Amino acid sequence: GAVVSQHPSRVICKSGTSVKIECRSLDFQATTMFWYRQFPKKSLMLMATSNEGSKATYEQGVEKDKFLINHASLTLSTLTVTSAHPEDSSFYICSASIWEGTQYFGPGTRLLVL
Amino acid sequence: KQEVTQIPAALSVPEGENLVLNCSFTDSAIYNLQWFRQDPGKGLTSLLLIQSSQREQTSGRLNASLDKSSGRSTLYIAASQPGDSATYLCAARDNYGQNFVFGPGTRLSVLP
Repeated sequence: GAVVSQHPSRVICKSGTSVKIECRSLDFQATTMFWYRQFPKKSLMLMATSNEGSKATYEQGVEKDKFLINHASLTLSTLTVTSAHPEDSSFYICSASIWEGTQYFGPGTRLLVL
Repeated sequence: KQEVTQIPAALSVPEGENLVLNCSFTDSAIYNLQWFRQDPGKGLTSLLLIQSSQREQTSGRLNASLDKSSGRSTLYIAASQPGDSATYLCAARDNYGQNFVFGPGTRLSVLP
């Protein structure tokens, strides 16, 4: 149990386009979802925390207008990278939890912006 | 603000050796500490979770310890195997049970 999926696993897009990444909790209802970003050869950094039905809380330095997060249901959160640029190329990982319980991580999405 | 560091940044050992990976955190008010494994280009695999009230956790050849007072955790891997080659991340979860703060990772290579 406690499986989190992400779609797509890899995406290549042109500069200026928007990309949507989905994070789903497959067998449990996640009240809280987290989005992390990993730069090459660096550790994961939290981007934002989202609770179902409310606005996401963004970490300092993360542009909320660029990284749109929607947590419309207890099993789905989406991260939309708007007007993507090459510097947005990265590995994005989501995690899901039930309130303050264990976080379950998705497999990640590799984004390459040309 | 919590900061997590890991030493060494990279480690290369021959197969069969026992090894220790170190993780340090600056704020001892943690909810728990977790060790993960990350294979190249992949997501995270949770290895061991230590609650703030615990001193250690064991799973197979892995043993993780936690010393909150000194802000340290270690991951001990016994009888290392080439399949253990990966990046190992430790992450401290704050006392409100919310987000993780990750360390930079230790890249482990176990040579056959």
